[in-house]
Amino acid sequence: EVQLVESGGGLVHPGGSLRLACAASGLTFTNYWMSWVRQAPGKGLEWVANIKKDGSDKYYVDSVKGRFTISRDNAKNSLYLQMSSLRAEDTAVYYCARIATDGWWYFDLWGRGTLVTVSS
Amino acid sequence: SYELTQPPSVSVSPGQTARITCSGDALPKKYAYWYQQKPGQAPVLVIYKDAERPSGIPERFSGSSSGTTVTLTISGVQAEDEAAYYCQSADTADTWVFGGGTKLTVL
Repeated sequence: EVQLVESGGGLVHPGGSLRLACAASGLTFTNYWMSWVRQAPGKGLEWVANIKKDGSDKYYVDSVKGRFTISRDNAKNSLYLQMSSLRAEDTAVYYCARIATDGWWYFDLWGRGTLVTVSS
Repeated sequence: SYELTQPPSVSVSPGQTARITCSGDALPKKYAYWYQQKPGQAPVLVIYKDAERPSGIPERFSGSSSGTTVTLTISGVQAEDEAAYYCQSADTADTWVFGGGTKLTVL
């Protein structure tokens, strides 16, 4: 079965750090750009970051630049999001998502998400 | 950057047709994509490149585009279609935009 499974969410204090992980299975991980997308409680979807197939290019939404780092380990079929200097507004469910391979920018597979709560 | 605007809510009775719109000035030059999200679940792609349907998505889901508006149409709505629907567009690796989402209620 093709799936993405996130882990690493939890409660963290403002200013703290957290590392999210996404384990991919049933797919050839190196064929895909990967992303993190988040959803604040009761709100819509927000793209957070992308990483190229080989990890050589990374892109971020302005609000997380300098605080979040996306990375991947292709040998482990895993995607990561290192989050630091966390703020209350970073509270959200974080989804790992696979970008389609047909040359257009959209997500064709999502994980179930992991909840990050930033609160004192 | 640009914005995509969706109505907050749409309501239909079972068996009727639901139409959910997404408007944006950039849409004539970009493809739009639609995701369905049921409460507590991950989003699922239901339409890509304005009007293409992924395998496994029921035929009652269709998409269309006209000028600055794209439309997700659900024909013969079923109770299981009750969900939030999001449109999305992007033309480079760092220009992703989602609409605010539309809550579809099946009466």
